[in-house]
Amino acid sequence: QVQLVESGGGLVKPGGSLRLSCAASGFTFSDYYMSWIRQAPGKGLEWVSYISSSGSTIYYADSVKGRFTISRDNAKNSLYLQMNSLRAEDTAVYYCAREGYGLYYFDYWGQGTLVTVSS
Amino acid sequence: QSALTQPASVSGSPGQSITISCTGTSSDVGGYNYVSWYQQHPGKAPKLMIYEVSNRPSGVSNRFSGSKSGNTASLTISGLQAEDEADYYCSSYTSSSLYVFGTGTKVTVL
Repeated sequence: QVQLVESGGGLVKPGGSLRLSCAASGFTFSDYYMSWIRQAPGKGLEWVSYISSSGSTIYYADSVKGRFTISRDNAKNSLYLQMNSLRAEDTAVYYCAREGYGLYYFDYWGQGTLVTVSS
Repeated sequence: QSALTQPASVSGSPGQSITISCTGTSSDVGGYNYVSWYQQHPGKAPKLMIYEVSNRPSGVSNRFSGSKSGNTASLTISGLQAEDEADYYCSSYTSSSLYVFGTGTKVTVL
């Protein structure tokens, strides 16, 4: 069965960096686009970034552009999110999600990893 | 990119039908048939309920249905059950090749 397991969250000071990972299993990872989606405490969902199956196409939300970098290693079935210059407003649960084969929707989600940006 | 607009809360009695709206613009909801809906129970990850406006993934109850008219998409839950109490979010692909989510709707089963 499809499994997505995020890791790497934690407490970081404003201006600091963190790298999230998402380990995928149960499907051919290299066939699918992947996204990061976040949810601030008590708030709604916010799409952060996506990467195409080969890694050649990448998009970011304006709120993270220039600070976050998405990447993937298809040999390791892993998705990453490098987060730099972190701000208090980046505090959220970060989910990795698989885009459906037809694209444009998210058919499987991980359990999320909490990132807290605070001094 | 502004969030799509959803009502903050919708409620209904068991067995009733409720509808959640999701209003965007011609650059997102109105421009593409790429609206999806997600259910999220407290402390859990979101779950895909509807994709491409009106398609149900395998395993999702046929009590859930989706539609779209102009810049507004809708999710209808018929035969409301206690287990349907959750937060619901719509999402749309946009003309900027990005994604936008709705503001979220809390469904309460009375």
